[in-house]
Amino acid sequence: EAQVTQNPRYLITVTGKKLTVTCSQNMNHEYMSWYRQDPGLGLRQIYYSMNVEVTDKGDVPEGYKVSRKEKRNFPLILESPSPNQTSLYFCASSSIRNYGYTFGSGTRLTVV
Amino acid sequence: AQKITQTQPGMFVQEKEAVTLDCTYDTSDPSYGLFWYKQPSSGEMIFLIYQGSYDQQNATEGRYSLNFQKARKSANLVISASQLGDSAMYFCAMREGLSLGADGLTFGKGTHLIIQP
Repeated sequence: EAQVTQNPRYLITVTGKKLTVTCSQNMNHEYMSWYRQDPGLGLRQIYYSMNVEVTDKGDVPEGYKVSRKEKRNFPLILESPSPNQTSLYFCASSSIRNYGYTFGSGTRLTVV
Repeated sequence: AQKITQTQPGMFVQEKEAVTLDCTYDTSDPSYGLFWYKQPSSGEMIFLIYQGSYDQQNATEGRYSLNFQKARKSANLVISASQLGDSAMYFCAMREGLSLGADGLTFGKGTHLIIQP
């Protein structure tokens, strides 16, 4: 089944404790992206990647890191999480020439 | 300026009625794509329908249709014969250009649709 797999689905952590949210897709998509969703603000892009070893900032990259060492994986790293990073996070992938995204199931992160 | 505007934060509709969710967009690129996604309370994002800027006909997918008015920069989602399971957040989104680039998809802030029995 074609899918984007995010883990974990839910995470509660403390301020400053490094964490990684994993994202993997099995569709050989070139394009991968991370979004955060906050009430009243919709979805905002954090980072994106056009292909292996090619990543760039989206609209709200502060406090996040990403890497794209393999085509299928695009982890999101929070080196020192803060409460304002409490949010619902989505990983998405697409063929660049395709119509739109396939989304992961989302990760609900709470930083206390 | 917002690129995608959804002016209805919330809507209540009676079951079996048709629903129109509004979306206007702003772009100077002649090539673009418009999308609608559904987000139920469980949180996942579900693709509903796509309309390309050069498509001559309005897109349809089952009970979903997209009322595309290019001159007005409007891409409203129409749900026919609404069902209780249609209760969800609905997001309009746009891709500028022929393929995904730096901006990815730009999303509106969503409309919360509640279908009442």
